[in-house]
Amino acid sequence: QVQFVESGGGVVQPGRSLRLSCAASGFSLSAYNIHWVRQAPGKGLEWVALIYYDGNQKYHADSVKGRFTISRDNSQNSLYLHMDGVSAEDTAIYYCTTFSIWGQGTMVTFSS
Amino acid sequence: DVVMTQSPLSLPVTLGQPASISCRSSQSLVHSDGNIYLDWFQQRPGQSPRRLIYEVSNRDSGVPDRFSGSGSGTDFTLKISRVEAEDVGVYYCMQGSHWPPWTFGQGTKVEIK
Repeated sequence: QVQFVESGGGVVQPGRSLRLSCAASGFSLSAYNIHWVRQAPGKGLEWVALIYYDGNQKYHADSVKGRFTISRDNSQNSLYLHMDGVSAEDTAIYYCTTFSIWGQGTMVTFSS
Repeated sequence: DVVMTQSPLSLPVTLGQPASISCRSSQSLVHSDGNIYLDWFQQRPGQSPRRLIYEVSNRDSGVPDRFSGSGSGTDFTLKISRVEAEDVGVYYCMQGSHWPPWTFGQGTKVEIK
C-alpha cells in the first residue's frame, strides 16, 4: 500500500528540539515534491513546508520560518522536519503528504 | 496570501439526498499556466485527510462518482449527488495556484440528520 509513515512526535518542553521523520512505504519518494501539513487539535489543516524532489528548493510557512527546517534523504527514502523553538501554537498532528498520498500523522505536544 | 472561505461550515444532510459545499478564494485561482489548482479533501472522523478532487473537477482514483467538483475564477463547489453514511466528515478546499503558502478553507462538517 502506497503511504507515508510519520514518526518522531512526542511531548516537547521549552528549549528542546524535535525531529519528525517521514518514510515512504510502497514507493520511492525521490521523484516527488513533498509537504508537511499540520492540524491543531479540533482545528483545520495548515500548510507548513515544501521540499522539492531533489532537495534543492524549500519553502516554509511564515508561522514556522526560522524555527522549522524541512529536509530529505532520498537514499533513505525519507523526509524530515527539524523543529526548534517549539511553542504551544505548534501543538498539532503533523502529516507528510504529496496531497494525493498521506500518512497517519505524528502528534507533537508542547508542554511547559 | 490567498484566503479560502467555505460555506456552510456545518451541513446536516439526509441520507440519499444531495449536498453542496461552496469555496471562494480571495483572488482568482487561474495560474499563469492557465490551470486552476483547487483541490478538495475529505477527512473522516479519526482519519487522515484524503484527496477527492484535484484541479477543480478531476476525481482521484477510487473516489465514487457521486462526488463532483466544479467552478472557475474564485468560486468553486463540491457536490455529493446522494449522501451515504460513509461521507460523514469534514471537507476542505485548498488552493495551490499561488504559493507559497498553500492555503486551506476552514472546513465544512457534513453530518447525517
